[in-house]
Amino acid sequence: GQNIDQPTEMTATEGAIVQINCTYQTSGFNGLFWYQQHAGEAPTFLSYNVLDGLEEKGRFSSFLSRSKGYSYLLLKELQMKDSASYLCVPQDSNYQLIWGAGTKLIIKP
Amino acid sequence: GAVVSQHPSWVICKSGTSVKIECRSLDFQATTMFWYRQFPKQSLMLMATSNEGSKATYEQGVEKDKFLINHASLTLSTLTVTSAHPEDSSFYICSARMVGESSPLHFGNGTRLTVT
Repeated sequence: GQNIDQPTEMTATEGAIVQINCTYQTSGFNGLFWYQQHAGEAPTFLSYNVLDGLEEKGRFSSFLSRSKGYSYLLLKELQMKDSASYLCVPQDSNYQLIWGAGTKLIIKP
Repeated sequence: GAVVSQHPSWVICKSGTSVKIECRSLDFQATTMFWYRQFPKQSLMLMATSNEGSKATYEQGVEKDKFLINHASLTLSTLTVTSAHPEDSSFYICSARMVGESSPLHFGNGTRLTVT
């Protein structure tokens, strides 16, 4: 079966750094997306990884290890507006996106 | 960047009536659009894949006669919830992606449907 494992909830402090880990099992693999979803809103695209390594985009970075079925999203210089759910979304061999419940990130002042 | 527009943002309807939701790709052509549903504190659930000029592909457990999808052009897909019931109350979100396996899904703003 296809499966995604992320922490249900994390708490971090404004200005700090937080790493959200994700492990996945899919039928084949064609890259992995990270999305941000604020409460009551639709998801917005953050990053895409298809090769092993780190992709940096401003305050956000995403890492992938295909052999380990592992990815993480790193958020630096946290701001209150970063409070949201973060979704690790692998793409299987049929290019279907596999959605989990994500990680709810709470930022405290 | 790719923009997907969804309308209406929210709708309240009475049980037994039908509701139509529109999804438009504003700056690109989308031969395929995706319709999702999300209940509170749950993950996105793919309902169906809308294909321009042909029948939609529905996920297991989704009633095609209840959730009518029409993809009449390369920029417009509609979802009609027929004979709505309170249990259909949910957040419906459409999405589309440009050509290419690395192209992300871009989402509309979603439609919050409340059936009374």
